Amino acid sequence: GESVGLHLPTLSVQEGDNSIINCAYSNSASDYFIWYKQESGKGPQFIIDIRSNMDKRQGQRVTVLLNKTVKHLSLQIAATQPGDSAVYFCAELGFNQFYFGTGTSLTVIP
Amino acid sequence: DGGITQSPKYLFRKEGQNVTLSCEQNLNHDAMYWYRQDPGQGLRLIYYSQIVNDFQKGDIAEGYSVSREKKESFPLTVTSAQKNPTAFYLCASSLVSYNSPLHFGNGTRLTVT
Repeated sequence: GESVGLHLPTLSVQEGDNSIINCAYSNSASDYFIWYKQESGKGPQFIIDIRSNMDKRQGQRVTVLLNKTVKHLSLQIAATQPGDSAVYFCAELGFNQFYFGTGTSLTVIP
Repeated sequence: DGGITQSPKYLFRKEGQNVTLSCEQNLNHDAMYWYRQDPGQGLRLIYYSQIVNDFQKGDIAEGYSVSREKKESFPLTVTSAQKNPTAFYLCASSLVSYNSPLHFGNGTRLTVT
């Protein structure tokens, strides 16, 4: 099966700093990727998505970068806030289903 | 508000009993999914359905069963045949069109003792 992994399982940042969360994917044919945020005891929330015909996409305080050459995806959060503390994971659309990474736990230090 | 409702939030059962988890959506999505989430692992697909009265097995369907009698509802039954049923179960829905994101409910935590 396909695998989607994250480089760092935990990340701590100071409030107001920028956060970068990384994800490696394995299938070079995948053409759709999503970042999700999951707070403790809740379901994943959609943050932002990107298609493979794009290198970068911006949302409100978030940016996703896609590097197809090295099969790498990153999520940048600007001016990180305490409410951003959560687990973040990427999802890759494979042949007929999504494959999910294990997640990075982001802790924002006030 | 449109969304996905999973109930109950917490469920406790004795080993050997079947248990059914509820999932209802009012997003008018055709596709619905069940995932299992265990600590330190990515979400794993149990079953999915793209249309009423039809569903397909995912990667870990053994010990589970589903039905899709209505577009809005996709209940999951965890049977006594499931060897490690204790987990956090997530229901999701999406449009059938390609490159559509999954929308998730808030999960049901099942504990079997």
